Amino acid sequence: DGGITQSPKYLFRKEGQNVTLSCEQNLNHDAMYWYRQDPGQGLRLIYYSQIVNDFQKGDIAEGYSVSREKKESFPLTVTSAQKNPTAFYLCASSPFGTGANTEAFFGQGTRLTVV
Amino acid sequence: AQTVTQSQPEMSVQEAETVTLSCTYDTSENNYYLFWYKQPPSRQMILVIRQEAYKQQNATENRFSVNFQKAAKSFSLKISDSQLGDTAMYFCAFMTIGFGNEKLTFGTGTRLTIIP
Repeated sequence: DGGITQSPKYLFRKEGQNVTLSCEQNLNHDAMYWYRQDPGQGLRLIYYSQIVNDFQKGDIAEGYSVSREKKESFPLTVTSAQKNPTAFYLCASSPFGTGANTEAFFGQGTRLTVV
Repeated sequence: AQTVTQSQPEMSVQEAETVTLSCTYDTSENNYYLFWYKQPPSRQMILVIRQEAYKQQNATENRFSVNFQKAAKSFSLKISDSQLGDTAMYFCAFMTIGFGNEKLTFGTGTRLTIIP
């Protein structure tokens, strides 16, 4: 089955540690995105990538890093520089260009908690 | 920069009634898509409806329809004959298109509650 998979579902991090959230898709989509969701603030874009080995900062990129070494994978690292990392993180992918079926597909999310 | 504004943080309506959720956006692009996504308590994002900016005809999907006013940069969602399963967060989203310019921006959401 085609889809987008995020892991783990729940993640706990000690202060000062880096953690990496996994996002894999087998939909052959070119574009991939990472969003952060906090209560009352909707989905805020962290990073996005349109092609392998290239990515752009979104609206809240500080304290995060990404890589896009393979088309299928777009991992997000939450670094110790991120002052308030506790949140729900969503990964998405979409095909390029026009078409009646253009939409973004989402993973099930990762809940990150700093302890 | 593109922005998406949802001015109704919360709404509630009686079951079987009709409700309209508002969304406005700001862009200098001429070619784009607009979406409404639903997020139930499971937090899985589900596409409700999609509108291509170059199409003047408003999109419809069963009980869901949109009122797309391109000049006014408005994209409202109408839910007819509302059902208990429609209770969820609803997000309006905007996607620029064109190689090198694909970006998906969301509004802050509207929490919709359907009352039995």
